[in-house]
Amino acid sequence: GENVEQHPSTLSVQEGDSAVIKCTYSDSASNYFPWYKQELGKGPQLIIDIRSNVGEKKDQRIAVTLNKTAKHFSLHITETQPEDSAVYFCAASMNNAGNMLTFGGGTRLMVKP
Amino acid sequence: ETGVTQTPRHLVMGMTNKKSLKCEQHLGHNAMYWYKQSAKKPLELMFVYNFKEQTENNSVPSRFSPECPNSSHLFLHLHTLQPEDSALYLCASSQSGGLNTEAFFGQGTRLTVV
Repeated sequence: GENVEQHPSTLSVQEGDSAVIKCTYSDSASNYFPWYKQELGKGPQLIIDIRSNVGEKKDQRIAVTLNKTAKHFSLHITETQPEDSAVYFCAASMNNAGNMLTFGGGTRLMVKP
Repeated sequence: ETGVTQTPRHLVMGMTNKKSLKCEQHLGHNAMYWYKQSAKKPLELMFVYNFKEQTENNSVPSRFSPECPNSSHLFLHLHTLQPEDSALYLCASSQSGGLNTEAFFGQGTRLTVV
């Protein structure tokens, strides 16, 4: 089955700096890669996703890149703000597997004011 | 609000108790999921229901028993649990079929087994 590795497990940045979280996956058949943000006391919420037919996607301060050959994808947050502090999860799934997501272990991001 | 509501938010139960977790989605989705979130471990998919039919059971012990009476409601029945089953249990829903779409999560039930 699919295996998703996520690094780093914790990340501390200064407000205004950029943050990068990286994930690798094992199954070359995976073609959908969402990123979720989980704040304290809440369930994960989708912040951005990318499909295997594109290499990069951007939404305001967040962007995701995908390298299918190397089987890794990354989340980039620019101009970080204290409200970006949360746990971020990457995930992978295949179209023919519905939305059975395999998650990475999570990254706790702390943005210091 | 994500459109997925879980109750209760917190639950403490003894190892001999029987309890149920409830999930309701108001999004018109046709697929619902149970995930387990333990400390220092990735979210683990437990069960998947598509159009009320269970399509996945990821080797979950039989002390966890899911029920999906209709496409809007999902239950997780618990009995004779172990302390290591203490975790955050998350319900999610999505629209299944075709390209993968966003999974919406509830806020979870924090379960403590004593």
